[in-house]
Amino acid sequence: KAGVTQTPRYLIKTRGQQVTLSCSPISGHRSVSWYQQTPGQGLQFLFEYFSETQRNKGNFPGRFSGRQFSNSRSEMNVSTLELGDSALYLCASTPTVMNTEAFFGQGTRLTVV
Amino acid sequence: DQQVKQNSPSLSVQEGRISILNCDYTNSMFDYFLWYKKYPAEGPTFLISISSIKDKNEDGRFTVFLNKSAKHLSLHIVPSQPGDSAVYFCAASYNNAGNMLTFGGGTRLMVKP
Repeated sequence: KAGVTQTPRYLIKTRGQQVTLSCSPISGHRSVSWYQQTPGQGLQFLFEYFSETQRNKGNFPGRFSGRQFSNSRSEMNVSTLELGDSALYLCASTPTVMNTEAFFGQGTRLTVV
Repeated sequence: DQQVKQNSPSLSVQEGRISILNCDYTNSMFDYFLWYKKYPAEGPTFLISISSIKDKNEDGRFTVFLNKSAKHLSLHIVPSQPGDSAVYFCAASYNNAGNMLTFGGGTRLMVKP
């Protein structure tokens, strides 16, 4: 069974640009969550999607958005990039929204210059 | 306001001995707790979880203990192996929040041969 796949693995963008990251969950998993990891703030929850609906959102500005498609694949978008957006962005999937272990992808390393 | 805290940023143990990693939480609504292991530039790998209806869960060399009255959980690794060297994160969630995980800051475990 394939794991959670995130693309691209690495990305370099310039301040002010926008970026779209992609996540393909484990087959059969319908819930996808996104997290940001930075040295200063640790692992922080961005948002969660289930059946194409955003169920929860973390404390991030509106520049961070996401969506989920009917095949459960998810994308997150960051507009008007700032230097502080440089981070490892992680996607996790679970079969449902009930308490269960979340499986993480390898992450996308975003560097904003 | 950090709802999940890992007060020890690092821990060093000898191979074969016990490693004990600690985690405290403040939100009484948390009812599901997880431990993840993480290497740099990779996604977290799920280790073990525990529901709030239990006080202990064991899986091979890994045991998690939950003390609800103290809002404290710990991960015991016995015996510790050099391959266990990584950063360990505890995470918490509650049922109504789906898979929105709140992570602690992590503890770097170093197991010396």
